Amino acid sequence: KQEVTQIPAALSVPEGENLVLNCSFTDSAIYNLQWFRQDPGKGLTSLLLIQSSQREQTSGRLNASLDKSSGRSTLYIAASQPGDSATYLCAVPGRVTSGSRLTFGEGTQLTVNP
Amino acid sequence: DAGITQSPRHKVTETGTPVTLRCHQTENHRYMYWYRQDPGHGLRLIHYSYGVKDTDKGEVSDGYSVSRSKTEDFLLTLESATSSQTSVYFCAISDRLAGGVDGELFFGEGSRLTVL
Repeated sequence: KQEVTQIPAALSVPEGENLVLNCSFTDSAIYNLQWFRQDPGKGLTSLLLIQSSQREQTSGRLNASLDKSSGRSTLYIAASQPGDSATYLCAVPGRVTSGSRLTFGEGTQLTVNP
Repeated sequence: DAGITQSPRHKVTETGTPVTLRCHQTENHRYMYWYRQDPGHGLRLIHYSYGVKDTDKGEVSDGYSVSRSKTEDFLLTLESATSSQTSVYFCAISDRLAGGVDGELFFGEGSRLTVL
């Protein structure tokens, strides 16, 4: 069974700092990995989807990397802003034969202080 | 934003009553999902659908049933609500990319259910 761990569980940084969020998974036979953002009381917003054939995916100040062999992904946020404060979750699918069932980490709660 | 609407957004009900949550999409995506989110457990899949009338169980399906009579609608029913089903319920949609791999997962805004 796939297990997903996100470290740290919470992170507080001053505005402008560059930061890295970590996601590790136990079963490396994945074909993609997705990062989400969740604001309090809201649904999840997709940030980045990395296919297994890619090593990195970028969107604005966000850069996500994927290393299947080590079972790890990182989300890099450059020049953090107070508006980046949210919970960030990563999710990986099971093996291809198990269908579209994602396993989610419990998230990293990020606070960016002005 | 993906066109996903959940209703109701908030509901308070009593133990033993049936409850139905509705998810409506305007994206014509093939796959639809129901998740619940609870502190300490994260997001867990209840049921999902891979087409009209085609559904399957997720990891926490006991006490829940689903139906999908049209591509755009996916209903989640709690046949007899219990306090343990107090949670935030999220609907999500996705589609398949070329090669059969899954595309991005998009979520609705959630439905907060309280069972007294």
